[in-house]
Formats: sequence, C-alpha cells, structure tokens
Amino acid sequence: EVQLVQSGGGLVQPGGSLRLSCAASGFTFSDYSMNWVRQAPGKGLEWVSYISSSSTTIYYADSVKGRFTVSRDTAKSSLYVQMNSLRVEDTAVYYCARDRRGPGHAFDIWGQGTMVTVSS
Amino acid sequence: DIVMTQSPLSLPVTPGEPASISCRSSQSLLKSYGYNFLNWYLQKPGQSPQLLIYLGSNRASGVPDRFSGSGSGTYFTLKISRVEAEDVGVYYCMQALQPLGAFGQGTKVEIK
Repeated sequence: EVQLVQSGGGLVQPGGSLRLSCAASGFTFSDYSMNWVRQAPGKGLEWVSYISSSSTTIYYADSVKGRFTVSRDTAKSSLYVQMNSLRVEDTAVYYCARDRRGPGHAFDIWGQGTMVTVSS
Repeated sequence: DIVMTQSPLSLPVTPGEPASISCRSSQSLLKSYGYNFLNWYLQKPGQSPQLLIYLGSNRASGVPDRFSGSGSGTYFTLKISRVEAEDVGVYYCMQALQPLGAFGQGTKVEIK
C-alpha cells in the first residue's frame, strides 16, 4: 500500500524547536519530490516547503524561511522538517505530501497529519 | 504572487443534484504547451486532503467520474454531476504553476 506515515509534533514553547518525520512506503521514494503543507486551526491550506527528488531544489514559504529546514533520507525513505524559532502562528496540523510525477505540482498522496502547538 | 479566489465559500447541496464551485486566479495558469496548472482537492471532515483533479481537468486515480474539472487561463470550475452524502467537506483549488502555489480559501459543501 502506498502511504506516508508521520511522526513528531506536539506542544512546544515559543522559540523552541521540533522535528517532524514522514516515512514513505509502497513506492520508490527517491523518484518523487515531496512537500510540507500546513493548516492552522479552522483555517485553509498553506504550502510551506518543497524538496525535489534529489534534494537539489528546495523552496520555503516566506513565513518559514530561515527557520525551517527540510531534508530527506533515501535510505530510510523518509522526509523531515526541522522547525526552529517556532512562533505561535506556526501552530497547525502539518501534512507531508507526495508530488505526483509529471508537469506541475499535484499532491497525490498525503500523510495523516501531525499537530504542532506553539504556546507558553 | 498568484492569488486564488473561490466561490461560493459555502454550498448547501441536495443529494442527487448537481453542484458547481468556481475558482479564479489572478494570473493565467495556462502554459504554452497546453497545460492548465490548476488542481482541486477535497478535505473530508477529520481527514487529510485528497487530490481530485490535476492539470485542470484530469481526474486523479480512484476519483469517481461524477467529478469533473473544466476551465482555462484564469477561470476554472469543479462540477459534481450528482452529489452524494460522502462528498461533504471543504474543496480547495490550488495553482500548481509556481512553487509553493497558493490554495483558494476553500468551499464548504454540506448537505441541506
């Protein structure tokens, strides 16, 4: 079965750090670009980061640039995001999502989501 | 940055009846080789989003054929030919032309 299983998340104080993981199975992880998308409570979706299949191209939304670092480990078929200097406004459910192969970007497989709460 | 605007934001529907959601982009999503870089997603209550339509009009794997996407350039439409109870949730359009493309605000579909 093609799936993405997320781990990490939780409650952290403002200024703190957290690392999220996303384990892929059922497909050749190294063939696909990957993404992180977040959703603040009661709000819409925000695409926050993209990493190409070979990690040569990485993008960050302005809202997280300089604070978040995305990486991937082909041997472990896993995607990560290291989140530093967390702010209250980073509170959200974070989803990892596979980028469908082909032109453009389309997220055809999603993880189950993990909640990150930034609060004192 | 490209801005995506959906309408309506709330859509009460009757099972068995058709439904339609519009999405407008601030810039054309049509590239010269004919692709419209516009996707549609559905987020059912308590679930992760799922891809419905990519490149404007292509149904994703496993998506029922009652869902269809149309439009080009800056104006797009998602149609449900006959709404079923399982179709409730929030529908989002997303521009896929630029990295980190914006999603629309979402359209909440609920049964009347």
